Amino acid sequence: QVQLVESGGGVVQPGESLRLSCAASGFAFSDYAIHWVRQAPGKGLEWLAIIWSDGSNQFYADSVKGRFTISRDNSKNTLYLQMNSLRVEDTALYYCAKDPHYTGYGYFDYWGQGILVTVSS
Amino acid sequence: EIVMTQSPATLSVSPGERATFSCRASESINGKLAWYQQKPGQAPRLLIYGTSMRATSIPVRFSGGGSRTEFTLTITTLQSEDFAVYYCEQYHKWPWTFGPGTKVEI
Repeated sequence: QVQLVESGGGVVQPGESLRLSCAASGFAFSDYAIHWVRQAPGKGLEWLAIIWSDGSNQFYADSVKGRFTISRDNSKNTLYLQMNSLRVEDTALYYCAKDPHYTGYGYFDYWGQGILVTVSS
Repeated sequence: EIVMTQSPATLSVSPGERATFSCRASESINGKLAWYQQKPGQAPRLLIYGTSMRATSIPVRFSGGGSRTEFTLTITTLQSEDFAVYYCEQYHKWPWTFGPGTKVEI
């Protein structure tokens, strides 16, 4: 079965960096676009970034553009999110989510369980 | 960006009843609408895509409808496991955006 497992979260101070990982299994990872979506505590969902199946294209929400970088290693079935210049408002549960298409239809057919990132001084 | 709104914010229903709630887009989204269910402490789960297509393993009591800017999700005969928050999402135009959610409570 499809599994997405996030890791790398934690508590950091404003301005610091963190790298999240998402290990995928149960499907042909290199055939699908993958997203990062976040959810601030008690709040709704916010799409952050997508990377195409072959890694050739990435797109970002304005809220993280220039600070976050999405990447993938298809040989390791792993997705990454490098988060730099973290802000208090980046505090959230971060989900990786699979897209049903290689260039991204834009909806999410499988989700990981999420990893918590807390930015606090 | 396309703004998604949902109503009501909270819907109180009893098990066995029918629940219908709405999602509105700030502009036409060409049917590119998905619905997700999220239970406390869990990740969202895809219910519906393409306005009315049920995702894999989703029970037939869940149905979606609508067009252009107005969409609905209906749950016939609510089960205890259906009490959750439901989010709509448009994927017609980047950036993809979610509604604020409707909480279905007992």
